[in-house]
Amino acid sequence: NAGVTQTPKFRVLKTGQSMTLLCAQDMNHEYMYWYRQDPGMGLRLIHYSVGEGTTAKGEVPDGYNVSRLKKQNFLLGLESAAPSQTSVYFCASSPEQGNNQPQHFGDGTRLSIL
Amino acid sequence: AQSVTQLGSHVSVSEGALVLLRCNYSSSVPPYLFWYVQYPNQGLQLLLKYTSAATLVKGINGFEAEFKKSETSFHLTKPSAHMSDAAEYFCAVSATFSGGYNKLIFGAGTRLAVHP
Repeated sequence: NAGVTQTPKFRVLKTGQSMTLLCAQDMNHEYMYWYRQDPGMGLRLIHYSVGEGTTAKGEVPDGYNVSRLKKQNFLLGLESAAPSQTSVYFCASSPEQGNNQPQHFGDGTRLSIL
Repeated sequence: AQSVTQLGSHVSVSEGALVLLRCNYSSSVPPYLFWYVQYPNQGLQLLLKYTSAATLVKGINGFEAEFKKSETSFHLTKPSAHMSDAAEYFCAVSATFSGGYNKLIFGAGTRLAVHP
């Protein structure tokens, strides 16, 4: 059972470079999320999607873009990477709306911006 | 607005001792609460969730949590710690976006160390 798969697992970028993080889920979930995790700050929501073709901003969206062209994939893009974007990025998904629905997480992408 | 506070960024216990990880929440509506665990270099795994059915919630790996409305708390406990419990634990409350969609608000996390 793959669940939520994130690629790549590690990446080092130079300031100003661009890249795309890929998240794929095989559970047919409608909702998908991108978080960043920084020491002492828990997880903060960057962007989310409530279905194919939809995206919306979370708490910390600046410097990131997302796309959800297919239901199973949610892409996170950094157009011009900055050192402040050094973080661990997690993708998550949930099956349907409802405050009692837990989210299922991938193993994360560790991104360093030099 | 909903929020979560985890008291203690680091907790250390001996193997076999009681584990107590503290979580207090703030919510203007009846909350849905979750505990997640994160092992090194892995994503978050759901330990347990509170959805108002019962105040004492049992989760995986022998963990449980008790919802106390009067104290706005949802502390996580395990009677006897095992070395494999060493991880980071996150408490989260579910909140609603404008537009009616739910999201999770996480606490800062508590790193649990278990020593022989």
